[in-house]
Amino acid sequence: GAGVSQSPSNKVTEKGKDVELRCDPISGHTALYWYRQRLGQGLEFLIYFQGNSAPDKSGLPSDRFSAERTGESVSTLTIQRTQQEDSAVYLCASSLRGSGDTQYFGPGTRLTVL
Amino acid sequence: EDQVTQSPEALRLQEGESSSLNCSYTVSGLRGLFWYRQDPGKGPEFLFTLYSAGEEKEKERLKATLTKKESFLHITAPKPEDSATYLCAVQGIIQGAQKLVFGQGTRLTINP
Repeated sequence: GAGVSQSPSNKVTEKGKDVELRCDPISGHTALYWYRQRLGQGLEFLIYFQGNSAPDKSGLPSDRFSAERTGESVSTLTIQRTQQEDSAVYLCASSLRGSGDTQYFGPGTRLTVL
Repeated sequence: EDQVTQSPEALRLQEGESSSLNCSYTVSGLRGLFWYRQDPGKGPEFLFTLYSAGEEKEKERLKATLTKKESFLHITAPKPEDSATYLCAVQGIIQGAQKLVFGQGTRLTINP
Protein backbone atom coordinates (compact mmCIF):
# COMPACT_ATOMS: atom_id res chain seq x y z
CA GLY A 1 0.00 0.00 0.00
CA ALA A 2 0.93 3.66 -0.18
CA GLY A 3 3.42 4.97 2.33
CA VAL A 4 3.60 8.32 4.09
CA SER A 5 3.67 11.20 1.63
CA GLN A 6 4.81 14.77 2.20
CA SER A 7 4.59 17.95 0.18
CA PRO A 8 6.29 19.95 -1.05
CA SER A 9 9.53 17.97 -1.33
CA ASN A 10 11.52 21.21 -1.35
CA LYS A 11 10.61 24.70 -0.17
CA VAL A 12 12.74 27.81 -0.44
CA THR A 13 11.43 30.88 1.34
CA GLU A 14 12.59 34.27 2.50
CA LYS A 15 13.20 35.10 6.13
CA GLY A 16 10.01 36.36 7.76
CA LYS A 17 7.58 34.50 5.48
CA ASP A 18 5.15 31.83 6.69
CA VAL A 19 5.31 28.26 5.34
CA GLU A 20 2.97 25.27 5.47
CA LEU A 21 4.19 21.70 5.20
CA ARG A 22 1.80 18.84 4.51
CA CYS A 23 1.81 15.19 5.56
CA ASP A 24 -0.50 12.37 4.41
CA PRO A 25 -0.11 9.36 6.74
CA ILE A 26 -0.60 5.71 5.90
CA SER A 27 -4.32 4.98 5.70
CA GLY A 28 -5.65 3.61 8.99
CA HIS A 29 -2.77 4.92 11.10
CA THR A 30 -4.12 6.83 14.09
CA ALA A 31 -0.79 8.21 15.32
CA LEU A 32 1.19 10.87 13.46
CA TYR A 33 4.52 12.49 14.34
CA TRP A 34 6.62 15.41 13.11
CA TYR A 35 10.41 15.44 13.43
CA ARG A 36 13.10 17.87 12.31
CA GLN A 37 16.55 16.92 10.98
CA ARG A 38 19.13 19.68 10.75
CA LEU A 39 22.14 19.17 8.52
CA GLY A 40 24.50 16.60 10.03
CA GLN A 41 22.34 16.11 13.12
CA GLY A 42 19.95 13.51 14.48
CA LEU A 43 16.18 13.65 14.26
CA GLU A 44 14.45 15.90 16.83
CA PHE A 45 10.86 15.23 17.88
CA LEU A 46 8.44 18.11 17.36
CA ILE A 47 4.84 16.96 17.97
CA TYR A 48 2.67 13.85 18.24
CA PHE A 49 -0.99 13.44 17.23
CA GLN A 50 -3.39 10.72 18.28
CA GLY A 51 -6.34 11.19 15.99
CA ASN A 52 -6.80 14.94 15.73
CA SER A 53 -5.61 15.77 19.24
CA ALA A 54 -2.00 16.56 20.12
CA PRO A 55 -1.17 15.15 23.57
CA ASP A 56 2.55 15.91 23.19
CA LYS A 57 3.72 19.22 21.74
CA SER A 58 6.86 19.31 23.86
CA GLY A 59 9.27 19.41 20.93
CA LEU A 60 7.93 22.54 19.21
CA PRO A 61 10.89 24.96 19.46
CA SER A 62 8.90 28.20 19.70
CA ASP A 63 5.39 29.63 19.37
CA ARG A 64 6.14 30.29 15.70
CA PHE A 65 5.59 26.56 15.14
CA SER A 66 2.11 25.05 15.11
CA ALA A 67 0.47 21.95 13.69
CA GLU A 68 -2.99 20.58 13.15
CA ARG A 69 -4.50 17.35 11.94
CA THR A 70 -7.85 16.65 10.31
CA GLY A 71 -9.39 13.56 11.90
CA GLU A 72 -7.04 10.63 11.31
CA SER A 73 -5.84 12.05 8.03
CA VAL A 74 -3.69 14.84 6.72
CA SER A 75 -1.58 17.04 8.99
CA THR A 76 -0.05 20.46 8.35
CA LEU A 77 2.95 21.95 10.13
CA THR A 78 3.02 25.75 9.96
CA ILE A 79 6.07 27.88 10.65
CA GLN A 80 5.37 31.59 10.99
CA ARG A 81 7.92 34.36 10.44
CA THR A 82 10.60 31.86 9.35
CA GLN A 83 14.18 32.32 10.52
CA GLN A 84 17.38 30.96 8.98
CA GLU A 85 17.77 28.49 11.85
CA ASP A 86 14.49 26.88 10.73
CA SER A 87 16.30 25.50 7.66
CA ALA A 88 16.15 21.71 7.96
CA VAL A 89 14.43 18.61 6.64
CA TYR A 90 11.00 18.17 8.23
CA LEU A 91 9.98 14.52 8.47
CA CYS A 92 6.54 13.11 9.15
CA ALA A 93 5.89 9.59 10.42
CA SER A 94 2.78 7.57 11.20
CA SER A 95 2.09 4.44 13.21
CA LEU A 96 -0.92 2.17 13.62
CA ARG A 97 -1.78 3.19 17.18
CA GLY A 98 1.18 4.65 19.07
CA SER A 99 3.03 3.01 21.94
CA GLY A 100 5.59 0.50 20.72
CA ASP A 101 4.28 0.51 17.15
CA THR A 102 6.74 1.05 14.33
CA GLN A 103 6.82 4.60 12.99
CA TYR A 104 6.99 4.76 9.20
CA PHE A 105 8.56 7.88 7.74
CA GLY A 106 7.81 9.96 4.69
CA PRO A 107 10.48 11.35 2.35
CA GLY A 108 10.60 14.71 4.12
CA THR A 109 10.34 18.36 3.11
CA ARG A 110 13.64 20.22 2.75
CA LEU A 111 13.08 23.79 3.95
CA THR A 112 15.62 26.48 3.09
CA VAL A 113 15.19 29.94 4.60
CA LEU A 114 17.21 32.62 2.81
CA GLU B 1 16.04 12.21 30.06
CA ASP B 2 16.25 9.44 27.47
CA GLN B 3 19.52 9.44 25.52
CA VAL B 4 21.02 7.49 22.61
CA THR B 5 24.69 7.46 21.55
CA GLN B 6 25.84 5.72 18.39
CA SER B 7 29.39 4.73 17.50
CA PRO B 8 31.37 5.03 15.40
CA GLU B 9 30.19 8.22 13.65
CA ALA B 10 31.49 6.87 10.36
CA LEU B 11 32.75 3.48 9.22
CA ARG B 12 34.39 2.53 5.97
CA LEU B 13 34.60 -1.19 5.07
CA GLN B 14 35.65 -3.26 2.09
CA GLU B 15 32.99 -5.38 0.43
CA GLY B 16 32.69 -8.64 2.37
CA GLU B 17 34.31 -7.22 5.54
CA SER B 18 31.91 -7.87 8.46
CA SER B 19 31.55 -5.41 11.35
CA SER B 20 29.19 -4.09 14.03
CA LEU B 21 27.59 -0.74 14.81
CA ASN B 22 26.91 0.21 18.42
CA CYS B 23 23.93 1.98 19.98
CA SER B 24 24.18 2.79 23.72
CA TYR B 25 21.06 4.06 25.44
CA THR B 26 19.66 5.28 28.74
CA VAL B 27 15.91 5.28 29.10
CA SER B 28 13.40 5.32 31.92
CA GLY B 29 11.90 1.98 30.98
CA LEU B 30 12.28 0.69 27.42
CA ARG B 31 9.15 0.33 25.33
CA GLY B 32 11.11 -0.42 22.16
CA LEU B 33 14.43 0.09 20.37
CA PHE B 34 14.27 0.79 16.65
CA TRP B 35 16.84 0.60 13.86
CA TYR B 36 16.40 2.56 10.64
CA ARG B 37 18.44 2.99 7.46
CA GLN B 38 18.58 6.42 5.81
CA ASP B 39 19.86 7.04 2.30
CA PRO B 40 20.88 10.57 1.25
CA GLY B 41 17.87 12.79 0.52
CA LYS B 42 15.36 10.21 1.76
CA GLY B 43 13.38 9.51 4.89
CA PRO B 44 14.42 6.79 7.36
CA GLU B 45 13.49 3.26 6.29
CA PHE B 46 12.45 0.86 9.07
CA LEU B 47 14.69 -2.16 9.70
CA PHE B 48 14.02 -3.71 13.13
CA THR B 49 12.22 -3.31 16.45
CA LEU B 50 13.60 -4.93 19.62
CA TYR B 51 11.56 -4.97 22.81
CA SER B 52 13.52 -6.84 25.48
CA ALA B 53 17.09 -7.77 26.41
CA GLY B 54 18.27 -10.93 24.69
CA GLU B 55 16.08 -10.41 21.66
CA GLU B 56 17.65 -10.77 18.19
CA LYS B 57 16.27 -10.07 14.72
CA GLU B 58 17.76 -10.79 11.30
CA LYS B 59 17.15 -9.58 7.78
CA GLU B 60 19.44 -10.56 4.92
CA ARG B 61 22.98 -9.44 5.91
CA LEU B 62 21.81 -7.54 9.01
CA LYS B 63 21.30 -8.79 12.56
CA ALA B 64 20.23 -6.64 15.49
CA THR B 65 20.76 -7.61 19.14
CA LEU B 66 19.73 -5.97 22.40
CA THR B 67 21.05 -5.85 25.97
CA LYS B 68 19.86 -3.71 28.88
CA LYS B 69 22.29 -0.93 27.94
CA GLU B 70 23.07 -1.25 24.25
CA SER B 71 22.13 -2.64 20.89
CA PHE B 72 24.36 -3.85 18.09
CA LEU B 73 23.70 -3.95 14.38
CA HIS B 74 25.90 -6.67 12.90
CA ILE B 75 26.59 -6.53 9.19
CA THR B 76 27.84 -9.75 7.61
CA ALA B 77 29.67 -9.76 4.26
CA PRO B 78 28.34 -6.30 3.32
CA LYS B 79 27.81 -5.15 -0.25
CA PRO B 80 28.15 -1.60 -1.67
CA GLU B 81 24.34 -1.24 -1.61
CA ASP B 82 24.47 -1.47 2.20
CA SER B 83 26.12 1.96 2.23
CA ALA B 84 23.81 4.33 4.15
CA THR B 85 23.41 6.06 7.50
CA TYR B 86 22.06 3.71 10.17
CA LEU B 87 19.92 5.30 12.88
CA CYS B 88 19.06 3.92 16.30
CA ALA B 89 16.13 5.24 18.34
CA VAL B 90 14.41 4.39 21.63
CA GLN B 91 10.87 4.86 22.86
CA GLY B 92 10.45 5.13 26.64
CA ILE B 93 7.67 3.76 28.77
CA ILE B 94 6.62 6.92 30.61
CA GLN B 95 2.94 7.64 30.11
CA GLY B 96 2.47 9.72 27.00
CA ALA B 97 6.06 9.24 25.81
CA GLN B 98 5.27 8.30 22.23
CA LYS B 99 8.22 10.03 20.65
CA LEU B 100 11.36 8.36 19.38
CA VAL B 101 14.70 9.64 20.70
CA PHE B 102 17.34 9.22 18.02
CA GLY B 103 21.11 8.91 18.04
CA GLN B 104 23.26 10.86 15.61
CA GLY B 105 23.64 7.87 13.30
CA THR B 106 26.55 5.88 11.87
CA ARG B 107 27.48 6.65 8.28
CA LEU B 108 28.52 3.35 6.69
CA THR B 109 30.44 3.17 3.40
CA ILE B 110 31.14 -0.17 1.70
CA ASN B 111 33.84 0.00 -0.95
CA PRO B 112 33.70 -2.52 -3.84
